[in-house]
Amino acid sequence: GENVEQHPSTLSVQEGDSAVIKCTYSDSASNYFPWYKQELGKRPQLIIDIRSNVGEKKDQRIAVTLNKTAKHFSLHITETQPEDSAVYFCAAHNVDRSQGNLIFGKGTKLSVKP
Amino acid sequence: GAGVSQSPRYKVTKRGQDVALRCDPISGHVSLYWYRQALGQGPEFLTYFNYEAQQDKSGLPNDRFSAERPEGSISTLTIQRTEQRDSAMYRCASSPIARLAGPGELFFGEGSRLTVL
Repeated sequence: GENVEQHPSTLSVQEGDSAVIKCTYSDSASNYFPWYKQELGKRPQLIIDIRSNVGEKKDQRIAVTLNKTAKHFSLHITETQPEDSAVYFCAAHNVDRSQGNLIFGKGTKLSVKP
Repeated sequence: GAGVSQSPRYKVTKRGQDVALRCDPISGHVSLYWYRQALGQGPEFLTYFNYEAQQDKSGLPNDRFSAERPEGSISTLTIQRTEQRDSAMYRCASSPIARLAGPGELFFGEGSRLTVL
């Protein structure tokens, strides 16, 4: 089955700096890679996702890159703000399979210091 | 309701008791998922439904765990003979997309925090 590794487990940056979170996956057939943000005490919410037919996707200050050959994908947050502080989860899945499901990494706790 | 609703929000039970956790998905959402999230960990897949059909239960830890969605809307996750290791946050999520078309965005509920003493 799929296994997702996420690094780092904690990340502290100064406001305005960039933050990068990296994930690797094991199943080469995985083709859908979302990122979820979970603020303290709240539910996870989707912030961006990418499918395997593209290498990069941007949405304002956040971007995700995908390297299928190396089986890794990354979340990039530019011009970080205190409200970006949260736990971020990457996930991977093969949408063409009826079995198995969205497998999450263990999360990265991002702290943005003002 | 506007979002995925779960009840109870908090449940404390004694070891050996059965518990039932309820999920009311967003109206019209086709797919419903159950995840378990331990403190400091990512959500761990348990099972999911397309309409009333349970499509995948490969994530259920053992036969003490079961789930149903009899009318394709509200779902119940039941844990029999609870053990301390069952203590966790149990999260339900729903999606407007039928499973075969991909999971799409999962809308998570607030979760039910289970504590087994």
